Amino acid sequence: GAVVSQHPSWVICKSGTSVKIECRSLDFQATTMFWYRQFPKQSLMLMATSNEGSKATYEQGVEKDKFLINHASLTLSTLTVTSAHPEDSSFYICSARGAGGGFETQYFGPGTRLLVL
Amino acid sequence: QKEVEQDPGPLSVPEGAIVSLNCTYSNSAFQYFMWYRQYSRKGPELLMYTYSSGNKEDGRFTAQVDKSSKYISLFIRDSQPSDSATYLCAMRFNKFYFGSGTKLNVKP
Repeated sequence: GAVVSQHPSWVICKSGTSVKIECRSLDFQATTMFWYRQFPKQSLMLMATSNEGSKATYEQGVEKDKFLINHASLTLSTLTVTSAHPEDSSFYICSARGAGGGFETQYFGPGTRLLVL
Repeated sequence: QKEVEQDPGPLSVPEGAIVSLNCTYSNSAFQYFMWYRQYSRKGPELLMYTYSSGNKEDGRFTAQVDKSSKYISLFIRDSQPSDSATYLCAMRFNKFYFGSGTKLNVKP
C-alpha cells in the first residue's frame, strides 16, 4: 500500500505553546486528508477532513481555532495545536486518500504522540 | 452509548491457536465493516472489509458480519507471532467510526 508519514513522532511541549504536526503522502497525491485523535484506551475520533486547497471541515465539538489545519499541497497537510494545554495531550494520527479513491484506499500515518506539560 | 464497542484485551494466545476478535455497534445505518491491524509505532493498515452480513475469507483471516445482532468478528486461523498487533474494527456511514482496538499477543 501507499505510504503516509508523520513528523514528529513524539513531541513534548509546555502549556501555552503551539505545536505543528506534519502529514505527508510519500508516493501518491492525497486530495483528501483526515486528522484523528485518540485518547488512551479510546477509539480513534475524526477531528477534521481537509481537501487540498480548501478549508478543512471540522467535526462537531472540535475547535477550529485551536486545531488549525492546512492542506496547501497534494502531499502535505499540517495540524497546528495552538496554545496547547495538558488536556490536548493525545495521539494524533492522519490519513490520506488519493483522487477518486474509496475508503479502502485511505492510508494512515504512524501517528504523533503529544504531551503537554 | 458508544457507537462501536471493542474489548481492549490484551488477548494472549499460543502460536497456532484460532483467534476471535469481536465488536458490537449501535448504529444500524453502518454500511461497511472493516478490520485494521496496527503494529507498534505504525499506522493502522486495512486487513479486510465487508459490505453486508455474511462471511468473507482471505487466507487465514475470516471476517463475519451479523447485522441483525449488530456484531462483527474477525477470526485468525493458525495464528503466528507476526500476527501480534492491535486490531481495530471500524464501521462506515459517511465517515469512519472506530473501536478502541484489541491488543493481541501470539506467543511462540
